[in-house]
Amino acid sequence: KAGVTQTPRYLIKTRGQQVTLSCSPISGHRSVSWYQQTPGQGLQFLFEYFSETQRNKGNFPGRFSGRQFSNSRSEMNVSTLELGDSALYLCASSPANHEQFFGPGTRLTVL
Amino acid sequence: KQEVTQIPAALSVPEGENLVLNCSFTDSAIYNLQWFRQDPGKGLTSLLLIQSSQREQTSGRLNASLDKSSGRSTLYIAASQPGDSATYLCAVGAGNTGKLIFGQGTTLQVKP
Repeated sequence: KAGVTQTPRYLIKTRGQQVTLSCSPISGHRSVSWYQQTPGQGLQFLFEYFSETQRNKGNFPGRFSGRQFSNSRSEMNVSTLELGDSALYLCASSPANHEQFFGPGTRLTVL
Repeated sequence: KQEVTQIPAALSVPEGENLVLNCSFTDSAIYNLQWFRQDPGKGLTSLLLIQSSQREQTSGRLNASLDKSSGRSTLYIAASQPGDSATYLCAVGAGNTGKLIFGQGTTLQVKP
């Protein structure tokens, strides 16, 4: 069974731009969650989508948004990028028992 | 507000040693607890999931225990190998959702 895939793997953007990251969950998983990982703050929960609906949201500004499609694939968008948004963005999918399976991440660098 | 703490932050041991990694959490009303491994620059690999009704889970050389009343979990690694070198993360499931609250991790180095 294929694992969670994330595209692109690496991104370089400049301040003020926006970016869209994509996540394809494991087949059959309906829940997709997004996390931000930085050296200073560690892993922080962004939001979770289940059956195309946002089920949970972390404490991030409205510049961070997401959506989920009918095939469970999810996208995350960050608008008006700031230097502090440089991070590894991780996506996880889970089945009904909520065991989280993570993808390899997208490394975003904001210059 | 749930907080998860992992001690120590770093650990270096010789190959073959048995070791214990610690995780503590402030709110005992957890849904589940999951241990992960992360290699540098990579994503997270799930090691063990313990549901709130369980006391422990085992997979190969790994054993994880959960004591909700004291707010603690331990990950026991038997007969450590250099390939076990990685950062180990503990995460608490806050409810019947996919949201996890992570500790800062323990970076393990196993020397040949």
